[in-house]
Amino acid sequence: AQSVTQLDSQVPVFEEAPVELRCNYSSSVSVYLFWYVQYPNQGLQLLLKYLSGSTLVKGINGFEAEFNKSQTSFHLRKPSVHISDTAEYFCAVNSGGSNYKLTFGKGTLLTVNP
Amino acid sequence: NAGVTQTPKFRILKIGQSMTLQCAQDMNHNYMYWYRQDPGMGLKLIYYSVGAGITDKGEVPNGYNVSRSTTEDFPLRLELAAPSQTSVYFCASTRGGNGELFFGEGSRLTVL
Repeated sequence: AQSVTQLDSQVPVFEEAPVELRCNYSSSVSVYLFWYVQYPNQGLQLLLKYLSGSTLVKGINGFEAEFNKSQTSFHLRKPSVHISDTAEYFCAVNSGGSNYKLTFGKGTLLTVNP
Repeated sequence: NAGVTQTPKFRILKIGQSMTLQCAQDMNHNYMYWYRQDPGMGLKLIYYSVGAGITDKGEVPNGYNVSRSTTEDFPLRLELAAPSQTSVYFCASTRGGNGELFFGEGSRLTVL
């Protein structure tokens, strides 16, 4: 079985500060990892994904994430956040089954303050 | 370019009533999913479908039913609504191959 743990439920930061949102996963097989963002009253949209290859993955809006197999982590980072980055962020894992189901973490609410 | 369309966006039900949440996608995706989102709990998979005529249970299927008669549509049926079904429901689809999941904007359901 696969599972995802997002270590922080809320992360408040000031504008232009760096941020890291932490995600750990467990799976007995190779994984595919995703970060999604949900703005207020909207659906989820893909920020970035790791399928294979380079462990540093770049996504939209200046976000990047690093896959660390030994630590079973996939932390999301941004060097300088904007007010508009305020949203809920979800880490998700797919262990490669043919049904392509994603298991989501509980989410991290990022609040960027002026 | 509609993507994934969910209706209704909001609905209030009384305990014991039934209703259907509609989901349609125009991307010719074979794989479709229904999730529910509760505060602080992330998204839980209710049902999914890997193609027309094929559906399977997810993590929290009790109290729900689905059907998939066409590639485009994947309605979610709530029978005998209960307060525990108060939630935001999201429909999603993907072409498979670990491609991106595309989400609808959600349907907020309140059961009183």
